[in-house]
Amino acid sequence: AQSVTQLDSHVSVSEGTPVLLRCNYSSSYSPSLFWYVQHPNKGLQLLLKYTSAATLVKGINGFEAEFKKSETSFHLTKPSAHMSDAAEYFCVVLGSGGSYIPTFGRGTSLIVHP
Amino acid sequence: DAGITQSPRHKVTETGTPVTLRCHQTENHRYMYWYRQDPGHGLRLIHYSYGVKDTDKGEVSDGYSVSRSKTEDFLLTLESATSSQTSVYFCAISDATLAGSYEQYFGPGTRLTVT
Repeated sequence: AQSVTQLDSHVSVSEGTPVLLRCNYSSSYSPSLFWYVQHPNKGLQLLLKYTSAATLVKGINGFEAEFKKSETSFHLTKPSAHMSDAAEYFCVVLGSGGSYIPTFGRGTSLIVHP
Repeated sequence: DAGITQSPRHKVTETGTPVTLRCHQTENHRYMYWYRQDPGHGLRLIHYSYGVKDTDKGEVSDGYSVSRSKTEDFLLTLESATSSQTSVYFCAISDATLAGSYEQYFGPGTRLTVT
């Protein structure tokens, strides 16, 4: 069984300040973890992924996420928010063992103020 | 960008009419998925396919059927559309990568309104 919880439904930051979007997961197997971004009226785009290699994962547009097994977390960060980062972000978990059906979090809406 | 297209992109239909949405991929990926996205519910899996003619139900499959006669095409049919099926529908594809993960790639979505 696998599940994912995004701890904040909305996060509001000012442009130029750090971004932290929180995600906790549970999985019976060593998981793969993903963050997706969805801009308004668009499809989902893969931001970054963890697949049991390095625990600190770098993605597109300056985003990073750190896999912490002891905390079952995979939080998404960015040092400095840009207006174009305003979007919906989804944390996704996929158990190993040949599973190809991921579980999505409910999403976190990132609001960036000028 | 992964080669995934969805058609139509927008559709308005009346209650009780059949509707078919098409997902087409050029990546030769084995797995294909249909999701619906509604405010407050995130993405919910309707049906998925793990090969030609191999499909299975997701968490919200009632009222929907699918078919996959070719690797590249995955069709979603609403046999008799209802207002509760007004939603944005996303197709996704995946396959095993060298790292063994199955990240998904999404189409642009179809906005369906049932009046």
